[in-house]
Amino acid sequence: KAGVTQTPRYLIKTRGQQVTLSCSPISGHRSVSWYQQTPGQGLQFLFEYFSETQRNKGNFPGRFSGRQFSNSRSEMNVSTLELGDSALYLCASRRGSDTEAFFGQGTRLTVV
Amino acid sequence: TQLLEQSPQFLSIQEGENLTVYCNSSSVFSSLQWYRQEPGEGPVLLVTVVTGGEVKKLKRLTFQFGDARKDSSLHITAAQTGDTGLYLCAGEGGATNKLIFGTGTLLAVQP
Repeated sequence: KAGVTQTPRYLIKTRGQQVTLSCSPISGHRSVSWYQQTPGQGLQFLFEYFSETQRNKGNFPGRFSGRQFSNSRSEMNVSTLELGDSALYLCASRRGSDTEAFFGQGTRLTVV
Repeated sequence: TQLLEQSPQFLSIQEGENLTVYCNSSSVFSSLQWYRQEPGEGPVLLVTVVTGGEVKKLKRLTFQFGDARKDSSLHITAAQTGDTGLYLCAGEGGATNKLIFGTGTLLAVQP
């Protein structure tokens, strides 16, 4: 069974631009969570989508947004990029609300 | 706010040594998971513990969930270079079922 797929793997953007990241969860999994990982802050929760609805939200500014489609694929958007947004963005797939999370390889975003 | 603190933050040991990593919180979690992450990759699930006092073994790795379900430990026996990586605990609990990650323990096993 295919794992969690994140695209692209690497991305370089300039300050002020916007970016969209994509995550395809494991087939049958309805929950997709997004995390930002940086050396200084560790894994920070961004938001979780379940059946196309945002179920949980972390403490990130409104520049960070997401959505989930009917096939459970999810996208994350960051507008007006800042240097501090440089990070590894990870997507986690879960079957339901209380099962283990399976991660994609992440998207490494560099803002210059 | 639920927080998970891991200790130590960094650990460098020789191959063959034993080690223990701790994951502590003031909050109760319905379940707790341990992950290992290698550079440039996403975390990979190692184990899930759900019952207070539960002990699970995965080859040379032993995981324990505290009786009060607020803390957990990971013990590695006879560490190998392949054990090198970032170890993360993650807890789930509360009304939101949000998965919260610990601060991480970076382990380096030297040959």
